[in-house]
Amino acid sequence: AQSVSQHNHHVILSEAASLELGCNYSYGGTVNLFWYVQYPGQHLQLLLKYFSGDPLVKGIKGFEAEFIKSKFSFNLRKPSVQWSDTAEYFCAVNGQNGFNKFCFGSGTKLNVKP
Amino acid sequence: DADVTQTPRNRITKTGKRIMLECSQTKGHDRMYWYRQDPGLGLRLIYYSFDVKDINKGEISDGYSVSRQAQAKFSLSLESAIPNQTALYFCATSDHSRGETQYFGPGTRLLVL
Repeated sequence: AQSVSQHNHHVILSEAASLELGCNYSYGGTVNLFWYVQYPGQHLQLLLKYFSGDPLVKGIKGFEAEFIKSKFSFNLRKPSVQWSDTAEYFCAVNGQNGFNKFCFGSGTKLNVKP
Repeated sequence: DADVTQTPRNRITKTGKRIMLECSQTKGHDRMYWYRQDPGLGLRLIYYSFDVKDINKGEISDGYSVSRQAQAKFSLSLESAIPNQTALYFCATSDHSRGETQYFGPGTRLLVL
């Protein structure tokens, strides 16, 4: 069975600080990996995704994530956060072979202090 | 994302009432999903549908039912609402030919008294 773990439930940073949110998954096959962002009061929006190729994926708003297959990890990073990055971030995984349901992590709330 | 719409956006109902949440999409995707979001639990899948003739239970389907009236429409019903169904409900769509990236609607906030 698939599972996704997000280690940090709540992160508080000051503006310009660097961000790294952890995501580890459990799945026995080849996976697609996603990060979604949910701004306060809004729906989930796709931040970036990895299907294959370069394990360093660049997304919108300066975010990037690195797929490390040996560690079953897909951590999200941003060199310098802004107050507008305050949101909840969800990691998700699904299998590439056949249909495997999306499995979401429990989310990490990021609070950026101005 | 205006391509996936949900109605109503907010709803207050009483225990025992039947309620329907509706989802429509203009993305032309074949697959549709219903999730609920609870604080600290992330998103949990209630039901999903590959096409109009295919309905599948997710991890928390008890107390819910769905109907796929057309490729673009997928509704979720609470047959007899109970307070622990108070949550934020999201509809999502995906295209099986494009890596299953899911696109979410704006959500319906449901309060069951």
